[in-house]
Amino acid sequence: AQKITQTQPGMFVQEKEAVTLDCTYDTSDQSYGLFWYKQPSSGEMIFLIYQGSYDEQNATEGRYSLNFQKARKSANLVISASQLGDSAMYFCAMREVIQGAQKLVFGQGTRLTINP
Amino acid sequence: DSGVTQTPKHLITATGQRVTLRCSPRSGDLSVYWYQQSLDQGLQFLIQYYNGEERAKGNILERFSAQQFPDLHSELNLSSLELGDSALYFCASSGGGVGPYEQYFGPGTRLTVT
Repeated sequence: AQKITQTQPGMFVQEKEAVTLDCTYDTSDQSYGLFWYKQPSSGEMIFLIYQGSYDEQNATEGRYSLNFQKARKSANLVISASQLGDSAMYFCAMREVIQGAQKLVFGQGTRLTINP
Repeated sequence: DSGVTQTPKHLITATGQRVTLRCSPRSGDLSVYWYQQSLDQGLQFLIQYYNGEERAKGNILERFSAQQFPDLHSELNLSSLELGDSALYFCASSGGGVGPYEQYFGPGTRLTVT
């Protein structure tokens, strides 16, 4: 079974600084996908970024980038120039394929707080 | 706005009761997923439907059932509710059965069982 580990329960960062949220994964699949979601205090889950295991370049979406190190099985999220609105829970997830169907396996999340 | 809608937003009910949560996927998405988020279990996959057919089951209790209708909306039925069923229930949708498709989540239904 696949597993996602997020070792930082909480992080505090000054506004405008860059922040890295850690994510390690465990899988025996050759083809897999990694996702990051943001959950603000309002509760909705917002898709941020996706990285496929065969993608040669690290994924980027605006201020978000994914530092993908396949050999280390890590997929860290980097947020550049953090803003107060970035304060939220962040979840790393992996796509697991079961008999032709797929589901997401989530880590426990990291609560990010941006201080002014 | 992800394009996935869920109703109701909040639901408060008593133990032993039955409730139905509704989800409409993004336009064109054939797959619907249900997830449960609770404080002790985190985010857990419950079930997936693709174009009306069940495709995968996760940690879904026998008291829970789901279906996807011809118009692709889905309902999650929770019966004989217990206090431990209190959680945030998410519906997500994606474009296909298997593939690197991002799953877009709805706003969730917060269920409180008293």
